[in-house]
Order: sequence, then structure tokens, then C-alpha cells
Amino acid sequence: GAGVSQTPSNKVTEKGKYVELRCDPISGHTALYWYRQSLGQGPEFLIYFQGTGAADDSGLPNDRFFAVRPEGSVSTLKIQRTERGDSAVYLCASSLTGSNTGELFFGEGSRLTVL
Amino acid sequence: SQKIEQNSEALNIQEGKTATLTCNYTNYSPAYLQWYRQDPGRGPVFLLLIRENEKEKRKERLKVTFDTTLKQSLFHITASQPADSATYLCALVGGGFKTIFGAGTRLFVKA
Repeated sequence: GAGVSQTPSNKVTEKGKYVELRCDPISGHTALYWYRQSLGQGPEFLIYFQGTGAADDSGLPNDRFFAVRPEGSVSTLKIQRTERGDSAVYLCASSLTGSNTGELFFGEGSRLTVL
Repeated sequence: SQKIEQNSEALNIQEGKTATLTCNYTNYSPAYLQWYRQDPGRGPVFLLLIRENEKEKRKERLKVTFDTTLKQSLFHITASQPADSATYLCALVGGGFKTIFGAGTRLFVKA
């Protein structure tokens, strides 16, 4: 596709369950970002990949959160033992390393609701 | 810790007027600053970039200023239109390309 694709668009789960959120970036974009956005707040940085490796994972809130990008394209954000406080929209963005604007291209997000 | 502050209250203006949004930051020396637009239920969309050595940047009806001494950016929309109603996010980009966002300011333009 032409843009960043995120699936699922909506996910409702019960407290304690495991969740995976997928991001398919724009083809050729080497940088990939995950953000979390709560209502009325700006996107909160979670993790940033350059290729296959996590260049900065300082935003992951705790060890229940983990993200991978094994082939340098698709990324999966994994949340274990979900808690109600994890409910938010999870945004993925990609960018072309070396672009002169550093523009991030965002997907539409995955809305996670933990009951 | 790094902090970005944007007007927390919504900005309401009349069509045709200039909207001015403020972004202040502390404990950070960004390589550059970006502004994004976000509509409800959608991901943010990039609007403009300004570098640390630039004072002002323009794009159509948009103007951004950047004062690294004051640690402040101002974002102006001239001749505002109802279609400009959205949330506007300020973002700081560091040397390692980590991008952090402010909470955003909601703008309402009344016809």
C-alpha cells in the first residue's frame, strides 16, 4: 500500500491477556516508530527502530511491552499481561532516514481497550 | 527531564483571522522542530520543519518561527478557514532522530 498500515484498527481484550499490534511501514522506509496516545494527549514515544535494531527503546513503560522488527520492515508491538491503563491508541510511523525533513508518516492507529 | 508545553486550552477564532499557537520546551536542544496536524481518529500529518539555525519558515498560509534562546516556536495560520480546525502538535527532533511530541492545541475556526 501507499501508506503506513496498522492492524487491527480496534482491539478489545480482557485484563491479563496478551496482545499483538502490527505495523506495515511505507516500502523503503528504514526508520519505524511506535507511539502511544491517550485521549487529549500528544503521542508518547515508545520505541524507535533503525532497520532491524531498536535504536532507542527508552519510552517502553515496563517489561510487559516489547517490539520487534525482524526483517527491517513489518514491526509488531507486543503487550503481555495487559492492564486497564494500557488502553490507548497505539500509533506507528515510518520515515526515510536521511530525508531533509525527518517527516514521520503515521498510520491510523490501533485502538486498544482493556476491560 | 525533557518537557514540551503547548497551550492546553482550545483556541477559538473567527474565519479570516490569524491563529497563533505556541510551543515551549525545556531541557532539550533539538536539531529541529516540526509541526503536525491531527484530525479526530486519524494519525498526525506533517506540516512544516524548522531547523535550529533558522528563524522563520513559511509554507502557503503557514508560518513558523523558532527562537532557540527562548526555547519557543510560534505557529501561525493566516486567513484561517473552518477546514483548519484540528489539533496541532509540536514535535522536537534530536540528533538521534528520536521525535517527541507536545500534547497539542485544539483549534476551532468559526465561519
